[in-house]
Amino acid sequence: DAGVIQSPRHEVTEMGQEVTLRCKPISGHDYLFWYRQTMMRGLELLIYFNNNVPIDDSGMPEDRFSAKMPNASFSTLKIQPSEPRDSAVYFCASSFSSGGTQETQYFGPGTRLLVL
Amino acid sequence: GDSVTQMEGPVTLSEEAFLTINCTYTATGYPSLFWYVQYPGEGLQLLLKATKADDKGSNKGFEATYRKETTSFHLEKGSVQVSDSAVYFCASRYSSASKIIFGSGTRLSIRP
Repeated sequence: DAGVIQSPRHEVTEMGQEVTLRCKPISGHDYLFWYRQTMMRGLELLIYFNNNVPIDDSGMPEDRFSAKMPNASFSTLKIQPSEPRDSAVYFCASSFSSGGTQETQYFGPGTRLLVL
Repeated sequence: GDSVTQMEGPVTLSEEAFLTINCTYTATGYPSLFWYVQYPGEGLQLLLKATKADDKGSNKGFEATYRKETTSFHLEKGSVQVSDSAVYFCASRYSSASKIIFGSGTRLSIRP
């Protein structure tokens, strides 16, 4: 299996620009998670989906952030407009549930975002 | 609410030294407990887990035992290698929840 795939791996943009991060979960997984990692705040859960439906978006910083999952094999995290404080590594992770129990989360390699 | 507390880093050891990274949890029930490892430039990957009290998770020479009485899940390795240099995250998940609660991470550096 290819694992969780994220693109781009690196993104450098200017303040005010729109940024779109992409994620392809592992085939057959029904949960998808978006995390943000910074030195100051550590690893933060932004939002997660179950069967393509957003379940908990309480970690999304503000209205500039939005996430979608149009189908089981694709999700996007969009920042519009971007700000320098959004600079971070963004991880996507996926997992599957079996018998009502969620199994291990598998993380992608991350997208390193720098907003100038 | 549920939380995970782990020792602050960085931790620097010499090769072949004994390693302990402390982790304690608070939870309203009996969560599953995990250790994840993040190598430089990579995402997190599961190192080991334990799903009930007294369970011992082990992988790659690392071990951690689920201690209900002390609400702890300390990570240990008898002889570390340079290749173990990474950031280690302790985490918990309540059985009926979908979210994993991660600790703040402990950076481990091993000197040759």
